[in-house]
Amino acid sequence: DTAVSQTPKYLVTQMGNDKSIKCEQNLGHDTMYWYKQDSKKFLKIMFSYNNKELIINETVPNRFSPKSPDKAHLNLHINSLELGDSAVYFCASSQGGQGIGAFFGQGTRLTVV
Amino acid sequence: GESVGLHLPTLSVQEGDNSIINCAYSNSASDYFIWYKQESGKGPQFIIDIRSNMDKRQGQRVTVLLNKTVKHLSLQIAATQPGDSAVYFCAEIPSSGGFKTIFGAGTRLFVKA
Repeated sequence: DTAVSQTPKYLVTQMGNDKSIKCEQNLGHDTMYWYKQDSKKFLKIMFSYNNKELIINETVPNRFSPKSPDKAHLNLHINSLELGDSAVYFCASSQGGQGIGAFFGQGTRLTVV
Repeated sequence: GESVGLHLPTLSVQEGDNSIINCAYSNSASDYFIWYKQESGKGPQFIIDIRSNMDKRQGQRVTVLLNKTVKHLSLQIAATQPGDSAVYFCAEIPSSGGFKTIFGAGTRLFVKA
């Protein structure tokens, strides 16, 4: 069973569209994260949620809106997609908020054309 | 500002040799340092971590060394195998950050058979 699963794995869409990426973890963790990885492999945290509450919002444009309906899910909705949003987005989870031993999903490769 | 970086973007080693991946960090106020391994098409995978009050920690075939004097972190892989080929990230968790992991730029390790 996959510990952290994201859907879809690939997403190609046009500029201006709105899209969502879903994430679910079956590890019983209380903290979930979204990371963005650019073309140079640089990983940067976007959001972290602890017990469904937003803890970290790393100056991400408000076109990005995370939603955590419960501790096992953290979805990412993106409005008005731009070319610069093209990247691989990773969901992760951990027990406790320090990200220690965080488990990552397989990633969602978003391409905006 | 906070930053974690790597000396070498790529490293090529012969199978069976030992590998050393280096990382320099600038924020001395950190609780933990972590090494992650990312294989092609997958999310980062936790390898080993070290607390800031330690200078060495060993795992299975891996050793992490922390030199706080020069703000340097290294990952040593013994008897490198083809399956070790991946991008390796060092990351730090600032003591003031909470719920936030700062990743370095990554080093790609190639293992030659």
